[in-house]
Amino acid sequence: QKEVEQDPGPLSVPEGAIVSLNCTYSNSAFQYFMWYRQYSRKGPELLMYTYSSGNKEDGRFTAQVDKSSKYISLFIRDSQPSDSATYLCACSLYNFNKFYFGSGTKLNVKP
Amino acid sequence: KAGVTQTPRYLIKTRGQQVTLSCSPISGHRSVSWYQQTPGQGLQFLFEYFSETQRNKGNFPGRFSGRQFSNSRSEMNVSTLELGDSALYLCASSLVVHEQFFGPGTRLTVL
Repeated sequence: QKEVEQDPGPLSVPEGAIVSLNCTYSNSAFQYFMWYRQYSRKGPELLMYTYSSGNKEDGRFTAQVDKSSKYISLFIRDSQPSDSATYLCACSLYNFNKFYFGSGTKLNVKP
Repeated sequence: KAGVTQTPRYLIKTRGQQVTLSCSPISGHRSVSWYQQTPGQGLQFLFEYFSETQRNKGNFPGRFSGRQFSNSRSEMNVSTLELGDSALYLCASSLVVHEQFFGPGTRLTVL
């Protein structure tokens, strides 16, 4: 079993929709939770990170962590075609720069 | 501020050869991490260097090694290349733990 599981999709939504991307993890010691966006033939781009449980908002993006169920989510409001990319979740232990990544969910936002 | 740069961007090698990849972190970043990305396994952590010392290590064989120089630039070496080493190799730098910024990657093809 992988440390972090993520549905690979693809997920196809119309422009303007609310997108929900999710991951589950197995190690209850994980304390940091990250979301990255990766366009084709590019390196991953950090969207945001969250420490422990709770929500964090940045513009159209909201990250949510539920440590009791080991579940992390990324919500994208008013999705745009430019949001079409692969979204990767990652987890790490406190004070460790070793990230465990999900396999990524491919998102397609149709105009 | 310039981002993380990696050279070369593309590389073709044959089995049994060795290869050296280079990474220049964002100015001021002292931590450099290396990841391997493949369609089957996703992003997997190789190792992290901080102030010229390996601080964290993933579960890769000893054929994979790295080093960091006093200017924080890092190199990764793979010896005795195998077909399964074909992948996108990503370097990430960070100033604070959990905020890793990735370069564009080096795509290695082993024939």
